[in-house]
Amino acid sequence: DSGVTQTPKHLITATGQRVTLRCSPRSGDLSVYWYQQSLDQGLQFLIQYYNGEERAKGNILERFSAQQFPDLHSELNLSSLELGDSALYFCASSQRGGTVQETQYFGPGTRLLVL
Amino acid sequence: QQQVKQSPQSLIVQKGGISIINCAYENTAFDYFPWYQQFPGKGPALLIAIRPDVSEKKEGRFTISFNKSAKQFSLHIMDSQPGDSATYFCAASMPPSNNFNKFYFGSGTKLNVKP
Repeated sequence: DSGVTQTPKHLITATGQRVTLRCSPRSGDLSVYWYQQSLDQGLQFLIQYYNGEERAKGNILERFSAQQFPDLHSELNLSSLELGDSALYFCASSQRGGTVQETQYFGPGTRLLVL
Repeated sequence: QQQVKQSPQSLIVQKGGISIINCAYENTAFDYFPWYQQFPGKGPALLIAIRPDVSEKKEGRFTISFNKSAKQFSLHIMDSQPGDSATYFCAASMPPSNNFNKFYFGSGTKLNVKP
């Protein structure tokens, strides 16, 4: 158990809908990362937050947004969902997130299925 | 553009055999190379990591071999066991800056160790 929690575990929704994925980092970790894992794309970095502030963006679509709250949990919002958004979404956390290369600890993921 | 190329996509090995997974990169700024192991239904977990100042790192049955001039690194699993059956991801990162600790992941190798 990495100490990173994600909810929900599974999510089934329809095209055009909006969903929110939630992540709680390990106790004491300030950085949260979001990744998308699809069958043919591997792990794609979406976005990083550090202590409530956005630090880096990867291949995140404009329909997607995220935030990190004062208690350090994070939410990833996916809107106007398309079939191609079906994937596993992972959250990872690390202690600081930038001053040294740190291990990222991954949560169990949220499996999103868009029908 | 895939920053880290991983092969093979899948691998079947007999119990007791050696599993070898290869990764190649282009960006010479990368200086940290972790390997992650992912079991079905779980998030990736750090297995072993290496920096380019050494050519090999061993932890138990797992060894990373690093060839700086060829810009390649590989994971060797000695005496492979059915419990090693998982998906393995290589990754690379540059010295972090501005509180950013981005990993570039390979596409993954699904290892199946036959009893």
